[in-house]
Amino acid sequence: GAVVSQHPSRVICKSGTSVKIECRSLDFQATTMFWYRQFPKQSLMLMATSNEGSKATYEQGVEKDKFLINHASLTLSTLTVTSAHPEDSSFYICSARAAPAGGSTEAFFGQGTRLTVV
Amino acid sequence: AQSVTQPDIHITVSEGASLELRCNYSYGATPYLFWYVQSPGQGLQLLLKYFSGDTLVQGIKGFEAEFKRSQSSFNLRKPSVHWSDAAEYFCAVGAVQAGTALIFGKGTTLSVSS
Repeated sequence: GAVVSQHPSRVICKSGTSVKIECRSLDFQATTMFWYRQFPKQSLMLMATSNEGSKATYEQGVEKDKFLINHASLTLSTLTVTSAHPEDSSFYICSARAAPAGGSTEAFFGQGTRLTVV
Repeated sequence: AQSVTQPDIHITVSEGASLELRCNYSYGATPYLFWYVQSPGQGLQLLLKYFSGDTLVQGIKGFEAEFKRSQSSFNLRKPSVHWSDAAEYFCAVGAVQAGTALIFGKGTTLSVSS
């Protein structure tokens, strides 16, 4: 099946610094990728939809200046958490949808990034 | 409004017993339904999915799910639970189009007792 690779899997940063998370579709092209945030023992909340070559679409309540999304190519989307604070600590997961040969579209997920801001 | 409801936050099942995790959805278009499993600190693993055809879907690890349109439900079942099945289970719904995100339920935590 299609593979989505997310890096890094874990990152610890100091408060006030920025952190970049990469999401790559390894064997397919993804014009659209999705970024989710998951709080401990809670569900995945959609943060934004990343569109190749255009601006991301953010969900209500998500600060676009805090969470910068860039989708510069058909295989790479990045999420940058700017001026991170402890409340930004969370598990971030990216996703892309693709249609395996002969099948309908599926959603493929990265391994997730555990961000801890100290 | 589009939503997924998993009524059970936490379920404990004895090893070897049967399991059913409930999922109800509200979706304006033809739903594409998924069940995922997540172990602590890990990403999501797809158990099974349904779009059309036979309403009883077989997945990995011995799981199955039944789509009931009249009840807007997509319940997950397993006839005999193993201790390794202890994890978080998420039901999700989306459209067929690749440009749409999945909407997730809040999840059900499964504990397995010996």
